Amino acid sequence: SQQGEEDPQALSIQEGENATMNCSYKTSINNLQWYRQNSGRGLVHLILIRSNEREKHSGRLRVTLDTSKKSSSLLITASRAADTASYFCATDAGTGNQFYFGTGTSLTVIP
Amino acid sequence: DAGVIQSPRHEVTEMGQEVTLRCKPISGHNSLFWYRQTMMRGLELLIYFNNNVPIDDSGMPEDRFSAKMPNASFSTLKIQPSEPRDSAVYFCASNPGDRVEAFFGQGTRLTVV
Repeated sequence: SQQGEEDPQALSIQEGENATMNCSYKTSINNLQWYRQNSGRGLVHLILIRSNEREKHSGRLRVTLDTSKKSSSLLITASRAADTASYFCATDAGTGNQFYFGTGTSLTVIP
Repeated sequence: DAGVIQSPRHEVTEMGQEVTLRCKPISGHNSLFWYRQTMMRGLELLIYFNNNVPIDDSGMPEDRFSAKMPNASFSTLKIQPSEPRDSAVYFCASNPGDRVEAFFGQGTRLTVV
């Protein structure tokens, strides 16, 4: 299966703290994406990192990619209660346009 | 644009009945994906269309599942006959093809009793 795995499965932090989530995948990729899912809603794209990139920033988000270890991390700095959601990484299959999701990390930010 | 539109939002049906889920992708998007989300199995890719043609249906669990995309603005996922283990949230997503990021609908929560 292409599906990645994320850890931790659940993370609870205080508002203002940083949150780090990790994603490991199995096969070579062209791209890795991170998505957020609020409870009962669809997924929303956060950030894309390509296989030739090592780090990318978008606002309070920082994503790293280590293709030699087949892993990625998502860092959310200065977390807010509104960041409470599940976060998923998604990887492509190396060819084609389809992509596969990891198992997700449930983040709770306590006000 | 209203985004990806799925209907119905909720569906409760009895085992053995036929269920049809509907999706309207974002106009101009030429790739469409159907995913299923459960607590046990997470988000599973069921099928992927490009320019209305099914490219990869290896994730379709059984012959009871079928998906069609008769035109660029409409897709259906049908389950016949439905079983309780089909209970899940089904998501449709689309992307423009020249970009990687996908746009998701709000999902259809299916309950088969």
